[in-house]
This record gives sequence, structure tokens and C-alpha cells, in this order.
Amino acid sequence: GDSVTQMEGPVTLSEEAFLTINCTYTATGYPSLFWYVQYPGEGLQLLLKATKADDKGSNKGFEATYRKETTSFHLEKGSVQVSDSAVYFCALHTGFQKLVFGTGTRLLVSP
Amino acid sequence: SAVISQKPSRDICQRGTSLTIQCQVDSQVTMMFWYRQQPGQSLTLIATANQGSEATYESGFVIDKFPISRPNLTFSTLTVSNMSPEDSSIYLCSADKQGAAEAFFGQGTRLTVV
Repeated sequence: GDSVTQMEGPVTLSEEAFLTINCTYTATGYPSLFWYVQYPGEGLQLLLKATKADDKGSNKGFEATYRKETTSFHLEKGSVQVSDSAVYFCALHTGFQKLVFGTGTRLLVSP
Repeated sequence: SAVISQKPSRDICQRGTSLTIQCQVDSQVTMMFWYRQQPGQSLTLIATANQGSEATYESGFVIDKFPISRPNLTFSTLTVSNMSPEDSSIYLCSADKQGAAEAFFGQGTRLTVV
């Protein structure tokens, strides 16, 4: 079945450091890929998405490129801020089926 | 896009009681889903709420424990029945809109069972 594998956390960085959170997937068909973010005490928010191979999703300085050849959708940010501290979920979505989530990666950014 | 309103946003309940969570979408959607997020865990799909028919439950979830209604294309409820402390979680409603190629989420209901 479809699955998403995310790097385990927590990821601890200093402010202005470079961030990479790895995400790989297994899916039949051609899924859309997403990164969702969950700030402390809040629900999920869509951070970015990509719907086809080689698409790059971007938002708030975060980027991820849909790599079909490596079945990956790694999340990157060039310079993290304390306010980026949250849990990040990689997910895939095939048409009208359910979303399949990774286990989540907690990011902690210190001043 | 779709805006999803979920209520209550949080509740503290006594064990053995039941809580019904409501999910309202601001436009008609094709699919609605209910997820559970246990403390420190990822999201697990409970069921797909089908309009006009019984919900489709994932493995490990049963209708007697989590009855779901979906009377129309914009509204659904999830009931957590006969609650125990193990049911303490965040419950999230999600909707899938045709052509949107993404799922939308409510803000979640944080349930604590004491």
C-alpha cells in the first residue's frame, strides 16, 4: 500500500541554520505530495504542495521538489527562525482517497 | 478552497460518557474524513464519512465506538462513545474537494478524558 517515510526527529537547529527534512514515499499511480505543519497547540495547516513530478512547492521560505526518480519530497529552508518550531508532516494524496501521513518530524529552533 | 469549522475545539470529559464532534464545511465537498492524533503521534485515519450511507472504517476502528453521520455534503459528526483515558487525542475533520488536489483540515478537537 501507499506509505510515507520521514526522518525521525527531533531536529534541533540554531536560528538561521539550513533545514532539510527528508521524506520518501511509496505509491501506486501519481500522487500529490504535501507538507503540513502543526504549530504547538494548533491543528494542521498546509505548508506547501506539489501535484506532479518536478513541481516545486514553496511557501514562507520553505521549498520541496517532487522527485519521481527518487520518490522523494524533501523539505528545505535556507534560514530557519524560532517561529518555525513545529511538527512537520509529509503526506501523499491520490485522487479522492485518504491522505497518508508520515510520522512527523519535530523541529526545534533555538535563538 | 474550503474552510472547515470544527466544534468543540476542546473538551474534558468523564470516562464512560460520549462526545459528539461537529464538522461544517463552507462549501460542498466530495469526501469527508475523520482522523485521530494521539499525543506525540502522527495522524491515523478513523473513517471516511459517506454522504447518505454508512461510514467506511479503517482497520482497528468500529462503528460502535466511533459512530459517524454525514447527512449532507457539507456536514459530518463523529461521536466518541463510552470514553476512556486512552481516547484522549486530537480529532480532526478533513474534506476533499473535487479539483482541488488537496485536503483541508479543521482546527481539531482536543479531547481529554479523565
